[in-house]
Amino acid sequence: GAVVSQHPSRVICKSGTSVKIECRSLDFQATTMFWYRQFPKQSLMLMATSNEGSKATYEQGVEKDKFLINHASLTLSTLTVTSAHPEDSSFYICSARSGGLYEQYFGPGTRLTVT
Amino acid sequence: DQQVKQNSPSLSVQEGRISILNCDYTNSMFDYFLWYKKYPAEGPTFLISISSIKDKNEDGRFTVFLNKSAKHLSLHIVPSQPGDSAVYFCAASSDNYGQNFVFGPGTRLSVLP
Repeated sequence: GAVVSQHPSRVICKSGTSVKIECRSLDFQATTMFWYRQFPKQSLMLMATSNEGSKATYEQGVEKDKFLINHASLTLSTLTVTSAHPEDSSFYICSARSGGLYEQYFGPGTRLTVT
Repeated sequence: DQQVKQNSPSLSVQEGRISILNCDYTNSMFDYFLWYKKYPAEGPTFLISISSIKDKNEDGRFTVFLNKSAKHLSLHIVPSQPGDSAVYFCAASSDNYGQNFVFGPGTRLSVLP
C-alpha cells in the first residue's frame, strides 16, 4: 500500500515554456502533499507543503509565482514550473501523507531538463 | 545552518557484515525520526522510524537507535546485502515544524559482494 505516482518521469522543455508535473496518491487519501527538489549529490530540499483545498505554504527562497502548486483533491497535487529556465533543471520529487501519520510516501520523481 | 547532519558522505561494507549509518541533529525539539533509502533517479523509500519516547526500533534487518542526550541516531543493517547499496537519508521532525521533515544530506552505502 501507500503508493505515490508522478507523471511524467522525465521531461525536456525549452526555456520560457511551462511544465506541469502531477503527483497522485494511488491507494490512500493524501491530506498533505510535499514537493521537493534534489540537486545532484545533494539532499532533498523541501519547496512547499500543500493541504487539500488550501493554498500551498512555500519554503523561504522558493518563488511561489514560478512554482505553482495546486492540491485540488485528496489524491492529486500538481507542480507547474512557469517560464522555465535552465537553472530549473533538477529532479523534482513529491511525497504524500495521510491524516495524522508522520510517514511520507514518496513518488518516483520527475527529471526536468530545460534547454 | 544544517539541523540534520550525516557526516559520512559514503560508506563501504562487505556483504554479510554490519552497516552502521549515523545521523546527528541540533534541534532538541525534534521528536520523530525516519530513515529513507534512495536509489538513483527514484524517489526515497521509507525504511524505519523512531519516536523520541523510544531508544530503539527494530524491523527485520534494520534497527534504529536513538540517543536523545547526544542528539544522535544510527541505523544498523545486519547482515548487509548488495541490494542495500543506496543513499540513506535520515529525517527529523517536530510539531513545531508542522510535522514537516528536515532531511540530512545522505550517506551513500556500498555493499561489496
